[in-house]
Amino acid sequence: DTAVSQTPKYLVTQMGNDKSIKCEQNLGHDTMYWYKQDSKKFLKIMFSYNNKELIINETVPNRFSPKSPDKAHLNLHINSLELGDSAVYFCASRLSGRNTEAFFGQGTRLTVV
Amino acid sequence: AQTVTQSQPEMSVQEAETVTLSCTYDTSENNYYLFWYKQPPSRQMILVIRQEAYKQQNATENRFSVNFQKAAKSFSLKISDSQLGDTAMYFCAFTGIQGAQKLVFGQGTRLTINP
Repeated sequence: DTAVSQTPKYLVTQMGNDKSIKCEQNLGHDTMYWYKQDSKKFLKIMFSYNNKELIINETVPNRFSPKSPDKAHLNLHINSLELGDSAVYFCASRLSGRNTEAFFGQGTRLTVV
Repeated sequence: AQTVTQSQPEMSVQEAETVTLSCTYDTSENNYYLFWYKQPPSRQMILVIRQEAYKQQNATENRFSVNFQKAAKSFSLKISDSQLGDTAMYFCAFTGIQGAQKLVFGQGTRLTINP
């Protein structure tokens, strides 16, 4: 069983389109994250949810909207995609307040053409 | 704000050698957690080792060990008897235990193990 699963793994789309990436974790964690990894491999945090509540919202264009329907799911919707949105997007989850690592999904490579 | 700095963008060693990757961080918190993650070409993020700031003893996991210097805010990773499969990007990461507990990553070090 995959602990943190993201879908899709690859996404190629045209500029201006709207797309969603889904993430689910079966670890019982209370905190979930979205990270963007650019072409230089830098991992930048975008959002974090704790118990379905948004607790971290970095400087991200408002075209990006996270949604957490329950503690096990954190989806990312992107409106009006731009070329600069091309990157690998990682979902991760963690149990807050403990010395436990974050578990990552396999990443979604988004290519905007 | 917490920051994590990895000053070595790339490193390359021969198989079986020992290599040390550097990491420094900045925080005003007294208790926190530090991690090293590995990202091979498969893209999967894999935990290598973790350290709790209130523990003075350096963490070890088989061939991987850390040198944690709390006063200097330094957290280096030593890989002994390096293997070809250690070739990957390595990321140092920090999370506090207060507030939002943001998990912050360094810029990464690309490590290549040569045969």
